[in-house]
Amino acid sequence: EDQVTQSPEALRLQEGESSSLNCSYTVSGLRGLFWYRQDPGKGPEFLFTLYSAGEEKEKERLKATLTKKESFLHITAPKPEDSATYLCAVRGGAQKLVFGQGTRLTINP
Amino acid sequence: AAGVIQSPRHLIKEKRETATLKCYPIPRHDTVYWYQQGPGQDPQFLISFYEKMQSDKGSIPDRFSAQQFSDYHSELNMSSLELGDSALYFCASSFAGNTEAFFGQGTRLTVV
Repeated sequence: EDQVTQSPEALRLQEGESSSLNCSYTVSGLRGLFWYRQDPGKGPEFLFTLYSAGEEKEKERLKATLTKKESFLHITAPKPEDSATYLCAVRGGAQKLVFGQGTRLTINP
Repeated sequence: AAGVIQSPRHLIKEKRETATLKCYPIPRHDTVYWYQQGPGQDPQFLISFYEKMQSDKGSIPDRFSAQQFSDYHSELNMSSLELGDSALYFCASSFAGNTEAFFGQGTRLTVV
C-alpha cells in the first residue's frame, strides 16, 4: 500500500530563516509526487509535480526536489505569508493521490 | 483561469438526514476525486471517476454514493448522516487521471 510520511509535523521559523520540509514515501510505481499548500478551511493549492528522481522545480521562495525515497520542499528566506500547512501526496498504481499528514509551517515576523 | 467549483460551501444537517454535494471540474478535465478531511487530518480519499466510470474507491462508507454525469460534474450523496460525518469535503479534478489534481474550496458539512 502506498504510504507518505512528512516531517516535521510543525515548524516555526523566523522571517528570513531558510529550512526544508521532508516527505518520505513508499509506492509501487511512482506516477507523480505532488506538493500542495493548504490554508485553514481552504482547499489544497497545487504547487509542484515531480515525476522522476533528480527532478527539481522552483516557484518564488520554494524549491522541490525528488529522490527515489523522499522529496524535500526547501523554503528560502520565508515571509509570514508563507505560513500554511504543506501537504505531500503520491500517485502510484491507482489514480488516487495518497497524502501525508502535512507540515504546519509558521513564519514569525 | 476556471477552477473547481463546489456547492454548497456550507451545509448543516441533522442526524439521519441526507445530503448531496456537487462538484464542477475544470473544463476539459475528465477525472474527479472526492476527499474527506477532518480537523487537523490529512485528506482521506473516498472515490474517483474517470470518463464517468468509477476508477478507484477508498474508505467511502456504504451510506455514501457518488457518480459522474455526462457533463463531467459529479455528485456525492450521503445518507443516514452521523455526527462523525462532519468534515470538509473536497473535490478535485485532473486531466486523464495522470496529471496534477486541482482542488475546489470544499464543502463544510456539519451534522447536528
